[in-house]
Amino acid sequence: DVKVTQSSRYLVKRTGEKVFLECVQDMDHENMFWYRQDPGLGLRLIYFSYDVKMKEKGDIPEGYSVSREKKERFSLILESASTNQTSMYLCASSLTPGMRTDTQYFGPGTRLTVL
Amino acid sequence: AQKITQTQPGMFVQEKEAVTLDCTYDTSDPSYGLFWYKQPSSGEMIFLIYQGSYDQQNATEGRYSLNFQKARKSANLVISASQLGDSAMYFCAMREGKSGNTPLVFGKGTRLSVIA
Repeated sequence: DVKVTQSSRYLVKRTGEKVFLECVQDMDHENMFWYRQDPGLGLRLIYFSYDVKMKEKGDIPEGYSVSREKKERFSLILESASTNQTSMYLCASSLTPGMRTDTQYFGPGTRLTVL
Repeated sequence: AQKITQTQPGMFVQEKEAVTLDCTYDTSDPSYGLFWYKQPSSGEMIFLIYQGSYDQQNATEGRYSLNFQKARKSANLVISASQLGDSAMYFCAMREGKSGNTPLVFGKGTRLSVIA
């Protein structure tokens, strides 16, 4: 079974702190994604990566950065956390770059609260 | 403009009844894929079913089927014989183009509640 893990289920941080959210997948997937989920807004794409050291901005990249130094790990970084970044963060991965049918596999999510 | 529209924020269904969750999409790309995911209260996103734009038949996976009407750009999820465990958020998503690199775009979701 594909496994996507996220470093924390719940996280509480203070405004201005630097926050790292880690995501690891164990199936040698090429593509990895970070979404945030807010009530009534669905899932919105923050950043994605289709190869090591590659990154692409999604729909809402402001206030975030990412790092992908190894294929299995994709980190989301909040350089200076703000209260409007309180949200559920979901990491996902998918297998084959050329396959349109390829589904995304999701981690359990990290619920981040910024005070 | 929204690419994926789910017009039902919440729905109720009686146990053992069938229910249809609506999804319309907007794309000019002839090649695309449509996905449905379930998100129970635990938070994890579970893939349910996929329909490709060139697929001739509606997709089915167990109790889940997809009512794909290409001309109307709709891809409604049908759950037959609802169970209490079907209570969850349901998301429709689309990938445009032929490459799997393209991220999925999600709708805002529908919260389904199954009543005993």
